[in-house]
Parts: sequence; structure tokens; C-alpha cells
Amino acid sequence: EAGVAQSPRYKIIEKRQSVAFWCNPISGHATLYWYQQILGQGPKLLIQFQNNGVVDDSQLPKDRFSAERLKGVDSTLKIQPAKLEDSAVYLCASSAHAGGDEQYFGPGTRLTVT
Amino acid sequence: EDQVTQSPEALRLQEGESSSLNCSYTVSGLRGLFWYRQDPGKGPEFLFTLYSAGEEKEKERLKATLTKKESFLHITAPKPEDSATYLCAAARDSNYQLIWGAGTKLIIKP
Repeated sequence: EAGVAQSPRYKIIEKRQSVAFWCNPISGHATLYWYQQILGQGPKLLIQFQNNGVVDDSQLPKDRFSAERLKGVDSTLKIQPAKLEDSAVYLCASSAHAGGDEQYFGPGTRLTVT
Repeated sequence: EDQVTQSPEALRLQEGESSSLNCSYTVSGLRGLFWYRQDPGKGPEFLFTLYSAGEEKEKERLKATLTKKESFLHITAPKPEDSATYLCAAARDSNYQLIWGAGTKLIIKP
């Protein structure tokens, strides 16, 4: 069974530029999560999708971050414009159900904003 | 405020030296307590889910236990390949959102 795929693995941009991350979840998983993980901290949920609908985006900085999940499968997370404090690893995860049960994570995208 | 606190932040052990990692939680309405392992440059990998106080689960050299206030991850006779950051997370009963701890970095020296 293929795992969660993410791209790119690394990205370096200057502040005020835009960037986009892509995620392909495990086939058949209805729930998709985007997390931000700063070095030395646990993951912070940015947004949760159930199929192609948003379940929770309460911690998403909506003035600069946006996310979509087309056709309930792949998802993209965009930052525009980026700030220095956005430097982090962006993790995508999926689960079969929305109940917070076992989540499968991708390798993450390490973003550096200079 | 709901929160999850892990201790210690880092733990260095000799190969074969058993120990425990702690995860204290304050969550109104706990649905489940999760343990994940994270290797450098990778996403977290699921280990265990515990749902009720007194529950225990084992996998190889790891055993997770749960009380009403905390969870322990016991590691017995660890090997260098057990070196990783161990994360715990608590799921609320109300919205299933996971509240994550900051992790314990475990280093096993050969």
C-alpha cells in the first residue's frame, strides 16, 4: 500500500514570496490533515478535510494561508505572502475516518523563508 | 485549557537500559491517547492508541499504559534503532482534534 506522498521535500523562498505544497493521501482515506511542525515542537493542525469539505480550519492563518482538496483526493496548501515565522516542516496526514484515529503521515516539506 | 506535556525533553540511555517516557494530559473528555514515533526528516509513525485508564498495549520493546492523568511509554532493553522522538497526542471527545505534546527525544547509545 502506497503511503502519503508530498512534494516538494524542500523549499527555500524569500519573505513575501508565495509557495505551494502538494499532498496525495492514502487511497480511500476520507480525512486529510495539514500540520505545521516547528523544530522542537509537536505538530500543529492547520486544516482538516473530510472528503472535500473543511472540518476544522480554526488555526489556519487565513490572511496568508489557503488550502483546497479537489475531488476529495489530492490537496494543496498555499502560503502567500510568506513570512519568516512560516519556516517549518509542513506535514500532510490522512486517516480512514474523521475520528482522530490512526493517522498516516507523509515525509513533510521543509520550508525555509529567508 | 487542554494541554499535553511530555517529559523529559531528551533522554540518553545505554543500550539495554530500560526506562519510561511520560505524557501528562489535561483534556476535558478524552477520546483516546496516541503515541507516535518520529525519525529525523520523516513524518510521525503511529505506534499505539489507548482509550481507557488501565489499558496497556505492547509492540516489541515498547509498552504504553494509561491512567486518568498520564500515559507512560516503557521501553525495555532498548537498542540503538529505538532512537527517535516519541510524540504523544490526546484526542478530544468533542471534536476529535489531536492535542500534541512537544515530544521526548530518545537517544540509545551502543
